[in-house]
Amino acid sequence: DTGVSQDPRHKITKRGQNVTFRCDPISEHNRLYWYRQTLGQGPEFLTYFQNEAQLEKSRLLSDRFSAERPKGSFSTLEIQRTEQGDSAMYLCASSFDGAYTGELFFGEGSRLTVL
Amino acid sequence: GENVEQHPSTLSVQEGDSAVIKCTYSDSASNYFPWYKQELGKRPQLIIDIRSNVGEKKDQRIAVTLNKTAKHFSLHITETQPEDSAVYFCARGSARQLTFGSGTQLTVLP
Repeated sequence: DTGVSQDPRHKITKRGQNVTFRCDPISEHNRLYWYRQTLGQGPEFLTYFQNEAQLEKSRLLSDRFSAERPKGSFSTLEIQRTEQGDSAMYLCASSFDGAYTGELFFGEGSRLTVL
Repeated sequence: GENVEQHPSTLSVQEGDSAVIKCTYSDSASNYFPWYKQELGKRPQLIIDIRSNVGEKKDQRIAVTLNKTAKHFSLHITETQPEDSAVYFCARGSARQLTFGSGTQLTVLP
């Protein structure tokens, strides 16, 4: 399966700890996105990369959140000093710049629980 | 604002009937309006999308209509089947960023 893969799938951590999630997009996709989804809500945009450049970042995103895509392939999302309100599903998605549609291909997500 | 209002939040229909979900937005800059389906515990998947230069698009039992003047767009599912049961999200935005609605839980009753 060459879909978007995310790791870990589940993470339980204590408040104040740092966590890092990894996303491997579909290989030919140059666009990569991070979204956050809480129960009963739609995905909420966090950030967008085109190749290795971070071109969009949500204004709602705390400075405890940082994302990188150093070589324009995989990406990491780090949350520092986690809070209980950070508990959510973190979804990565990728797409291809030259595609006819703007379809986002989502990964299965990384579920974070902050105790 | 940038939000997308989606209604209804839950919808139950008999198998074979039609289902309609509506979304409204306020941002005039939006030019892309996709709909995603998310089954329980699964990832969201695109089912249909429309761009601002088109008023309607159909794909078999699914259709989307867009009224840019009134700033609303709708998803229509005809001849519903049990496998259509899922949460449906509308979204609006651009290739860089999408804003999603809060979702509609569709249940198709056999």
